[in-house]
Parts: sequence; C-alpha cells; structure tokens
Amino acid sequence: GAVVSQHPSWVICKSGTSVKIECRSLDFQATTMFWYRQFPKQSLMLMATSNEGSKATYEQGVEKDKFLINHASLTLSTLTVTSAHPEDSSFYICSARDLRQDYEQYFGPGTRLTVT
Amino acid sequence: GQNIDQPTEMTATEGAIVQINCTYQTSGFNGLFWYQQHAGEAPTFLSYNVLDGLEEKGRFSSFLSRSKGYSYLLLKELQMKDSASYLCAVMDSNYQLIWGAGTKLIIKP
Repeated sequence: GAVVSQHPSWVICKSGTSVKIECRSLDFQATTMFWYRQFPKQSLMLMATSNEGSKATYEQGVEKDKFLINHASLTLSTLTVTSAHPEDSSFYICSARDLRQDYEQYFGPGTRLTVT
Repeated sequence: GQNIDQPTEMTATEGAIVQINCTYQTSGFNGLFWYQQHAGEAPTFLSYNVLDGLEEKGRFSSFLSRSKGYSYLLLKELQMKDSASYLCAVMDSNYQLIWGAGTKLIIKP
C-alpha cells in the first residue's frame, strides 16, 4: 500500500521558535496533501489542504501566517509552525491523496509537538 | 450544515461482536470511510463504501445505506488489540472528508 512519512515524529521546542514538519509520499505522487491537528481525546481537525504548486487552502480559524504550508513537489509538503506557543502543542498529522485512487487518503504517522 | 454522528464510546467483550453506527448529513456524497486510530497514532484505513450494501473484509465489515444516511462498522471475534477509536468520515461533493468525532471502543477480557 501507499506509504506516507512524517519527520520529525516528535519535537519539543521553546516558545517563540519555529518548527518545520515534513510530509512525504514515498511510493506515489500526491497532488493533494492535507494537514490535520488533533488535541487529546478529540477528533481530527483539518487545518489546510495543500495542492502541489499552488497556495494552500486554510480552514476557517486557522492562521495562514502562523501555519505556513509549502507543497513544492508531488511528494513533499511542509508545515512550519511559526512563533510557536504552548497552545500550539498538539499532534499534527498529514495525509496524501494518490493520483491513481483519488478517493483514498493515506495518513502519515503524525508529529507530536510540545512547546514549552 | 454538515454533520457526522457516531457514539462517543462503546464497550465490548473479547471474542464478541460489536456494531458501531454512523449517521451523516452532508452536501453531496462521494463515499464513506472507516478508519481505526490507536492512541497516539495516526488513523489507518479500514473500509470504503460508495454503493449500498455490505463490504466484508476479514473480521471487519462495513454497511452503507445512502437513502438513510447511515453506515455501520461490524467487528467480529473481537481481540484486545481492537481497542481503539473508530472514525467515520464522508467525502462530500467537493471530495473533502468530513470527519465524525470518533467512537472509542473498549474491549474487556
């Protein structure tokens, strides 16, 4: 099956610093990647949809200047959390849609961010 | 508005059968997905239904009735490792996934 990787799997950073999370589709081309955030005991919350070569579409309430998304190629999308604060601590998950089976999304393993 | 409803939590016994229901109201329909998510991990795909009826895959089966806006996930011969959250998601007319809040399934010996 299709594989999506994320790096890092966990990160601890100080308040005010920026953190970059990478999402890669390893064995397929993904025209669309999705970034989700999940707080403890809550469901997935879609943050933004990232299309290769174009600007990301952000969900209502998600600050695009704080959560910078770059989708430079068909296999890589990055999410940068700028000027992180403790309330940004969460589980960030990306998923990618396979061109060959456009209905299914494949999830990365997630990145746990802790801001101190 | 768009809405996905599923029970918050269910408890079942090892070796038994459990059915997790999901009802939905969305703008358009391009399929319904079930995902399994263990604590601290990302969701993993279980099933996809776009036509009415039952799809069976090993111990797991998923049913869809589009006219009723209803689906269920059936888990047979429950094992302790099946303890997880089960997420129902519907793909709407824009091919975006609308997620339910998830059902936490607790398996007891």
